[in-house]
Amino acid sequence: VMTQSPATLSASPGERATLSCRASQSVSSDLAWYQQKPGQTPRLLIYDASTRAAGVPPRFTGSGSGTEFTLTISSLQSEDFAVYYCQQYNIWPVFGQGTKVEIK
Amino acid sequence: QVHLQESGPGLVKPSESLSLTCTVSGGSINNDFWTWIRQPAGKALEWIGRVYPSGNTNYNPSLMSRVTMSIDTSKNQFSLKLDSVTAADTAVYYCARDLRPAMGWFDSWGQGILVTVSS
Repeated sequence: VMTQSPATLSASPGERATLSCRASQSVSSDLAWYQQKPGQTPRLLIYDASTRAAGVPPRFTGSGSGTEFTLTISSLQSEDFAVYYCQQYNIWPVFGQGTKVEIK
Repeated sequence: QVHLQESGPGLVKPSESLSLTCTVSGGSINNDFWTWIRQPAGKALEWIGRVYPSGNTNYNPSLMSRVTMSIDTSKNQFSLKLDSVTAADTAVYYCARDLRPAMGWFDSWGQGILVTVSS
């Protein structure tokens, strides 16, 4: 089970956002993060816990290992307001329930 | 850049089978690993399973009894069949690419197809 917190994060453009993802058992570094905007396909941001996917801006940073993971957006841009999912792939792929980042 | 496109019926009756096809273009289906993922409205993503170029498969244990995936490398297509559907199977179904031989992440996705289970 992957548990994401908070369920909703309200923040202003320019602020720092910190999203958490917790695994019920260790998944090593087998963790990815995705961004999904309304009506759109999920977009891969981070894999192997901390490697940015091609074309992802450096304001997105992934960290953690084992059971605790974090996605940090250093300075929120207008296009970053979306839902973010973590996904572990240590055994079979399991997604978290998502964190919605909304404009404060 | 690889492109994926789902196709199939948008409406399926309860107790019947859902069948979808994903067509891969811009790359060879022989090189990577191919996945189905679904998302009920307003809910999280759920991995359904994966098919290898060889035809081998891995399925989500919670759906394993009802899922069959297959691949046709000559057509650059892979398919999903989900049996005995109920309203709980209503969702947007995505096909996606996984680059890792072991389970991995999904870097390319189809646009998704809404499948509604209703009589």
